[in-house]
Amino acid sequence: EVQLVESGGGLVQPGGSLRLSCAASGFTFSTYWMHWVRQAPGKGLVWVSRIYSDESSTNYADSVKGRFIISRDNTKNTLYLQMNSLRDEDTAVYYCARVQNSGWPLDAFDIWGPGTMVTVSS
Amino acid sequence: DIQMTQSPSSLSESIGDRVTITCRASQGISNSLAWYQQKPGKAPKLVLYAASRLESGVPSRFSGSGSGTDYTLTISSLQPEDFATYYCQQYYTIPFTFGPGTKVHIK
Repeated sequence: EVQLVESGGGLVQPGGSLRLSCAASGFTFSTYWMHWVRQAPGKGLVWVSRIYSDESSTNYADSVKGRFIISRDNTKNTLYLQMNSLRDEDTAVYYCARVQNSGWPLDAFDIWGPGTMVTVSS
Repeated sequence: DIQMTQSPSSLSESIGDRVTITCRASQGISNSLAWYQQKPGKAPKLVLYAASRLESGVPSRFSGSGSGTDYTLTISSLQPEDFATYYCQQYYTIPFTFGPGTKVHIK
């Protein structure tokens, strides 16, 4: 079964750091662009970041640029999001998502993880 | 960035009703448009991609159309499991952007 499962969320103080993980299974992880999307409580979906299969290309939303780092370990079939200098407004459920087609940079998201909650609060 | 708008923001419909949701992009996106369904506490689920292509396993009562900047999602006969929030998303260019969502309520 094709599956994504996030972990690493929790409560962190403003200015703190957290690393999210997304474990992939059931498909050839190393060939897919992967994304992070977040959703603040009661709000809509917001794209956060993406990474190419070999890590040679990454992109970020302006709101997280310079604070978040996306990475992956294809030997462990795992996607990461290192979140630094966290702010109250980063509070959200964070989802990892896979694009539909292997190797396609611009594509819809056909597989999503269940999400992990990040709460930034003092 | 491409801005996505949706209308209406919410609607109340009965089982069996026909429902249409509109999505507009701030510039042309060449049918690089997806629709997602999200139920409370759950991850979004892909319903349609490339504006009009039905994702595998999605019932045929869902359909999509449009071109350029204007797109629609139609549910031909609303079923109990269709009550959810629907989001459009453009994947024409980075940053990918989502519409604000349309919540479909039971009347």
